[in-house]
Amino acid sequence: EVQLVESGGGLVQPGGSLRLSCAASGFTFSSYWMSWVRQAPGKGLEWVANIKQDGSEKYYVDSVKGRFTISRDNAKNSLYLQMNSLRAEDTAVYYCARSSVGEDTWDYWGQGTLVTVSS
Amino acid sequence: DIQLTQSPSFLSASVGDRVTITCRASQGISSYLAWYQQKPGKAPKLLIYAASTLQSGVPSRFSGSGSGTEFTLTISSLQPEDFATYYCQQLNSYPWSYTFGQGTKLEIK
Repeated sequence: EVQLVESGGGLVQPGGSLRLSCAASGFTFSSYWMSWVRQAPGKGLEWVANIKQDGSEKYYVDSVKGRFTISRDNAKNSLYLQMNSLRAEDTAVYYCARSSVGEDTWDYWGQGTLVTVSS
Repeated sequence: DIQLTQSPSFLSASVGDRVTITCRASQGISSYLAWYQQKPGKAPKLLIYAASTLQSGVPSRFSGSGSGTEFTLTISSLQPEDFATYYCQQLNSYPWSYTFGQGTKLEIK
């Protein structure tokens, strides 16, 4: 059974940093693109970043470029999102998601972890 | 960037009804159009990909169609568990990014 379990969310002050983790199991992690998708409270879904199987390609939504870094450790079946210079508008539930074989959709999602940026 | 606009944003319907949600793209897109269902406090669930392909395990009352700039999600006979918010999503291949529609909240009448 495919499982994605996020952790690392919490309350952080504006300008602060946080590192999210996603532990994957039930599939060959190193064979899939992986992504982070977020959802602000009461709002819609927004793709944040994704990373190729070997980490050689990474893409970000414009609003987080230069502040967030996506990475992965295939030996540990883990995905990460390092978030720096956090802003109030980064407050959201952050989901880890597995890209489908065609990389155009996400077929499995974690339960999400809440990040709150507030003083 | 290509924008996706869903209509309606809110939909009230009864169990057994047939409902259709539309997703319009600001310019023609490939068949990289997907539909998700999200229930409160839960992660999104993939229903349809490549505009019309049903994800494994999704009931056959869900169907998708369309091409170019207009796509639809149809639920042929609403069940109680179908009341949720639905999102369309597409891939922009250059520059690489993903876009979601704003969502359609389907409520019980």
